[in-house]
Amino acid sequence: QSALTQPASVSGSPGQSITISCTGTSSDVGGYNYVSWYQQHPGKAPKLMIYEVTNRPSGVSTRFSGSKSGNTASLTISGLQAEDEADYYCTSYTSSSTLDVFGTGTKVTVL
Amino acid sequence: QVQLQESGPGLVKPSETLSLTCAVSGYSISSGYYWGWIRQPPGKGLEWIGSIYHSGYTYYNPSLKSRVTISVDTSKNQFSLKLSSVTAADTAVYYCAKDLGYCDSTSCTYFFDNWGQGTLVTVSS
Repeated sequence: QSALTQPASVSGSPGQSITISCTGTSSDVGGYNYVSWYQQHPGKAPKLMIYEVTNRPSGVSTRFSGSKSGNTASLTISGLQAEDEADYYCTSYTSSSTLDVFGTGTKVTVL
Repeated sequence: QVQLQESGPGLVKPSETLSLTCAVSGYSISSGYYWGWIRQPPGKGLEWIGSIYHSGYTYYNPSLKSRVTISVDTSKNQFSLKLSSVTAADTAVYYCAKDLGYCDSTSCTYFFDNWGQGTLVTVSS
């Protein structure tokens, strides 16, 4: 079973801001500040964009930010650029024995 | 700069064992961190397979636990994946990665900050 639910797709125009949600439960997203986000371009390995809900690894653009409210975590991309078009996945520490630690994935399209 | 590189057969026959190795450069595995394997079937999402600490403690996805073995060789600065009794459903790109976070008896944090380029493994006769 997929523990973390994401919208299948999100789109926006260049320069706009978009938000991707990651909905879990109190056993994962809501219970711990251990949410991370990955960006994956076609044919490439995933790239860590956010960890511990809000932290950006060195080298990740400040246009990417993370937040959490209750059982839902969010990734916001500000000033959308063509290079942001990719698939995005969330993960979370979980106290339940889930089979799927990665979210269902969201395809971001830049119009 | 930490770099990871997967290696192993690109084609495995059904019912046989898939074996991959991840060579790490730029960092000594024995110094710490958790190291993981993640796979992605063609056109599908990411699936965590398991992780290992430099001391050898392992953590596996419950759905694969009965077929998976992850080991570490600190003398060669590499870690390995073995997946037994493979079927076509195991066809995927397999990635190795370094985890910024940690694992405990309950879960891992899955903060994979360095990844290998990935290797496609096809299960077919």
